[in-house]
Amino acid sequence: DVKVTQSSRYLVKRTGEKVFLECVQDMDHENMFWYRQDPGLGLRLIYFSYDVKMKEKGDIPEGYSVSREKKERFSLILESASTNQTSMYLCASIGTGKYQPQHFGDGTRLSIL
Amino acid sequence: DAKTTQPTSMDCAEGRAANLPCNHSTISGNEYVYWYRQIHSQGPQYIIHGLKNNETNEMASLIITEDRKSSTLILPHATLRDTAVYYCIVRVPYTGGGNKLTFGTGTQLKVEL
Repeated sequence: DVKVTQSSRYLVKRTGEKVFLECVQDMDHENMFWYRQDPGLGLRLIYFSYDVKMKEKGDIPEGYSVSREKKERFSLILESASTNQTSMYLCASIGTGKYQPQHFGDGTRLSIL
Repeated sequence: DAKTTQPTSMDCAEGRAANLPCNHSTISGNEYVYWYRQIHSQGPQYIIHGLKNNETNEMASLIITEDRKSSTLILPHATLRDTAVYYCIVRVPYTGGGNKLTFGTGTQLKVEL
């Protein structure tokens, strides 16, 4: 089974801190994604990466950056955390090939105080 | 990716079939229908997908209309553990290189005694 592991289930940080969310997948997938999920808004795509060192902006990239130095790891960075970034963050991966579904981690619930 | 429309919420009695509809009237010929679900405090979980034929697996059945403009996910004998948000997504097979994958707001299914 595909395993997507997010480093923390719950995280509390302070306004202005630099925050790192880590995601690791074990299926050699080329493509990885970061979403945030807020009540009533569904999943919104922040950034995605289709190869090492490659990144593309999603729908809501402002205030975030990402890093993909190794194929299995995709990091989301909040450069200077703000309270409106309090959310559930979900990482996903998918192989490149016809019908494969995305596989998700269990999420990180981030609170910015 | 084609836009989908799902009811915001549905209720189902335990042991009965849960039929979750999805409209995707702008689907194109090479787009697949995927279904995921998200149980509270977990990441989305892949359920099933199809192109034009009906599909069945150990979790559910997928019925796609002949014109492919709508589909129904069927949970044949719903249990309390099936209470979740169900997402219908329509997209082409993922080939990487920058195609982003988006989710809507889904249907909240509540299974009751």
